[in-house]
Amino acid sequence: EPEVTQTPSHQVTQMGQEVILRCVPISNHLYFYWYRQILGQKVEFLVSFYNNEISEKSEIFDDQFSVERPDGSNFTLKIRSTKLEDSAMYFCASIRDRVEEKLFFGSGTQLSVL
Amino acid sequence: QKEVEQDPGPLSVPEGAIVSLNCTYSNSAFQYFMWYRQYSRKGPELLMYTYSSGNKEDGRFTAQVDKSSKYISLFIRDSQPSDSATYLCAMSGGWYSSASKIIFGSGTRLSIRP
Repeated sequence: EPEVTQTPSHQVTQMGQEVILRCVPISNHLYFYWYRQILGQKVEFLVSFYNNEISEKSEIFDDQFSVERPDGSNFTLKIRSTKLEDSAMYFCASIRDRVEEKLFFGSGTQLSVL
Repeated sequence: QKEVEQDPGPLSVPEGAIVSLNCTYSNSAFQYFMWYRQYSRKGPELLMYTYSSGNKEDGRFTAQVDKSSKYISLFIRDSQPSDSATYLCAMSGGWYSSASKIIFGSGTRLSIRP
């Protein structure tokens, strides 16, 4: 069964460093998302991406965050200067189309900022 | 009022019991309703998907949506220890709606005792 894949599964970084989280969405999907989940808290929307541009973003997704689809398969989330409070599980997700809103998640990248 | 409210639990039931999980919501623009299962340190896995009001059954799982009451439910029949996980409700209004983001409940932790 096709799945969303994310790498790395765990990323440890120092505060102030840049990190790039990588995702390969399901191949025939058109809409891509990043969500995050701080330990013990709810899954929070960060950003949605369609047709090579951001379609919607949350208040969390400030100037320190950016997304990119550098080629036909990868979808990345960059955090420019990490803060302690960025420590969370980051999930990539994708939807085939917006007729059916079935969102499929990857297994996540656990980001630890020290 | 929060957009989506879900009792965090934990909920502990004996094996074989019927489990009822619920969410309420405030935004009448929501049209798509989903239930996800999330095991510890894993990404949410789509269990059930419903458009608008009504019931949907898939094996031991039944999803119900009552848009007039802004209330959704997930029933698990003949519960198994492997059903022990956190269950997240999620909903959206669809791409062209004012509620286009997929919003998650905080999740209910469920434990099935053998």
